[in-house]
Amino acid sequence: QVQLQESGPGLVKPSQTLSLTCTVSGDSISSSGYYWSWIRQHPGKGLEWIGYIYYNGRTYYNPSLKSRLTILVDTSNNRFSLKLTSVTAADTAVYHCARAGTVTRRFDPWGQGTLVTVSS
Amino acid sequence: QSVLTQPPSVSAAPGQKVTISCSGTSSNIGNNYISWYQQLPETAPKLLIYENDKRPSGIPDRFSGSKSGTSATLGITGLQTGDEADYYCGTWDSGLSAVVFGTGTKVTVL
Repeated sequence: QVQLQESGPGLVKPSQTLSLTCTVSGDSISSSGYYWSWIRQHPGKGLEWIGYIYYNGRTYYNPSLKSRLTILVDTSNNRFSLKLTSVTAADTAVYHCARAGTVTRRFDPWGQGTLVTVSS
Repeated sequence: QSVLTQPPSVSAAPGQKVTISCSGTSSNIGNNYISWYQQLPETAPKLLIYENDKRPSGIPDRFSGSKSGTSATLGITGLQTGDEADYYCGTWDSGLSAVVFGTGTKVTVL
């Protein structure tokens, strides 16, 4: 059974960098056919795709976040990470990681999510 | 940015049927597979439907999906109190080069 677990600070100061890691178990992050993804949900709002990465390091970013975003993959430790720079209160959200099919782009499974609050 | 439009809410009595629409364009729904997700309160979203009309193992056949042109529909029959949740559609948008999700629909069982 594939499981994903997010980890990282729950509080980040404005203008700083938000950093999260997603650890994958039950599947190899080097498996072909999957993108490893980040999705966020602002409090009480809908889903927003952040971006994803293939095991070879190729990335696909949401154009609205691209200038501040870096997603990296660590195949040795079966995990991938998210870095979002120059954060503001608008980046306060629950951040989920998920596995996505490369053709269907279906997100399954999802991590439980971690709330990141941007505040001084 | 939500470029897929869903009704904010739908409701029905237990045992009844509801349908949730997801409206898009030729850049997204019209030329790409659609998926549907269920988000129960305080939980992560869960895949319900993929490739427009396929159900993952473990998803009951009370849930169904369809697509026609630039719109898609999720159907839930035999409505149960446990179906009260938010439902989202999602797909790739070739014009934006981004995954896009619907605005979300809250299902209430009366």
